[in-house]
Amino acid sequence: GDSVTQMEGPVTLSEEAFLTINCTYTATGYPSLFWYVQYPGEGLQLLLKATKADDKGSNKGFEATYRKETTSFHLEKGSVQVSDSAVYFCALQGGGADGLTFGKGTHLIIQP
Amino acid sequence: DAGVIQSPRHEVTEMGQEVTLRCKPISGHNSLFWYRQTMMRGLELLIYFNNNVPIDDSGMPEDRFSAKMPNASFSTLKIQPSEPRDSAVYFCASSSLGGGTEAFFGQGTRLTVV
Repeated sequence: GDSVTQMEGPVTLSEEAFLTINCTYTATGYPSLFWYVQYPGEGLQLLLKATKADDKGSNKGFEATYRKETTSFHLEKGSVQVSDSAVYFCALQGGGADGLTFGKGTHLIIQP
Repeated sequence: DAGVIQSPRHEVTEMGQEVTLRCKPISGHNSLFWYRQTMMRGLELLIYFNNNVPIDDSGMPEDRFSAKMPNASFSTLKIQPSEPRDSAVYFCASSSLGGGTEAFFGQGTRLTVV
């Protein structure tokens, strides 16, 4: 079945550091890929998405590129802020109106 | 729109009791999903509906769990009888039909079974 693997956390960085959170997936066909973010006590919010190979999703300074050849969708940000501290989830949707399959989540902690 | 609304936000119940979680999806959305989040297992898809019809309930852990969607604006997830290992945060999400569309999540119900 479909699966998503992302790096374990917590990831602790200093403010203004460069961020990479790795995500790889296994799926049949051509899934859509997503990054969601969860702040404490809240539900998940969509951060960005890509629906086909080589697409780049971007939002709030975060970027991720759909790499079919490496089955990856790594999340990057050039300069993180304290307010970026949250849990980040990589997810895929296999097709049609299927539910999302999530990775385990990566807890990001940004220190001032 | 107020977004996906879940109730209650917190529920504490004794083992063996029946628990009902409620969800109101965003108006106009055709798909509704129930997820469970735990530290050990992360986010698991329990069941989802398209146009009020259950499509895939393979994630429902046991017969103790059941979900209904009697109309487009309401869904319930019921656990009967509840057990301590059911303690988790349960999320409801909704989206429009179609691949690549965003799922909007509620704030979740934190269930504690003692």
